[in-house]
Amino acid sequence: NAGVTQTPKFRILKIGQSMTLQCTQDMNHNYMYWYRQDPGMGLKLIYYSVGAGITDKGEVPNGYNVSRSTTEDFPLRLELAAPSQTSVYFCASRKDYNEQFFGPGTRLTVL
Amino acid sequence: ILNVEQSPQSLHVQEGDSTNFTCSFPSSNFYALHWYRWETAKSPEALFVMTLNGDEKKKGRISATLNTKEGYSYLYIKGSQPEDSATYLCASPLGTYKYIFGTGTRLKVLA
Repeated sequence: NAGVTQTPKFRILKIGQSMTLQCTQDMNHNYMYWYRQDPGMGLKLIYYSVGAGITDKGEVPNGYNVSRSTTEDFPLRLELAAPSQTSVYFCASRKDYNEQFFGPGTRLTVL
Repeated sequence: ILNVEQSPQSLHVQEGDSTNFTCSFPSSNFYALHWYRWETAKSPEALFVMTLNGDEKKKGRISATLNTKEGYSYLYIKGSQPEDSATYLCASPLGTYKYIFGTGTRLKVLA
């Protein structure tokens, strides 16, 4: 049981490039989330999903897209990377009303 | 209140001291409050899920209380140790699916 896994751990992008951050959970959790951590700002919700095929925007969705084709996977797509997207990205999942389980994070730098 | 607020923002205590910090959350339509422990360079890990007014949860030297009527929760650490150094986050549901995280209390325990 690996929990929530994220790849890559680190990435440097040039302005305008695109990439996909991968997130997989093996706990059969229905809810999945993408957060970004900005210094002094805590965790901000980018997108979330309540089940396969259902996604919705969080607080800061601009510049990102998601999909949820399976229960296990919830990739986050960055199109046209900008310096403002430099951050640490966390994926999380939960079952019903229980606590969230977080992945190890992806540190992204956009230069 | 519509935000989750935590105080203090940061705290330095000596090893062996007991300490506590506060999370204030929207009290209307309450159904759960989560506490997380977040060590530097790691991902948040759940400490407690609190659901009932007057609830008290304990895990070793760490305990938490909940007042849903006035919208606050306290986290207590008894006999702080250097390994307790971390950021402590609380999170309150926003609707059924999303959570609002506070910005955290950063605790440093000095040996």
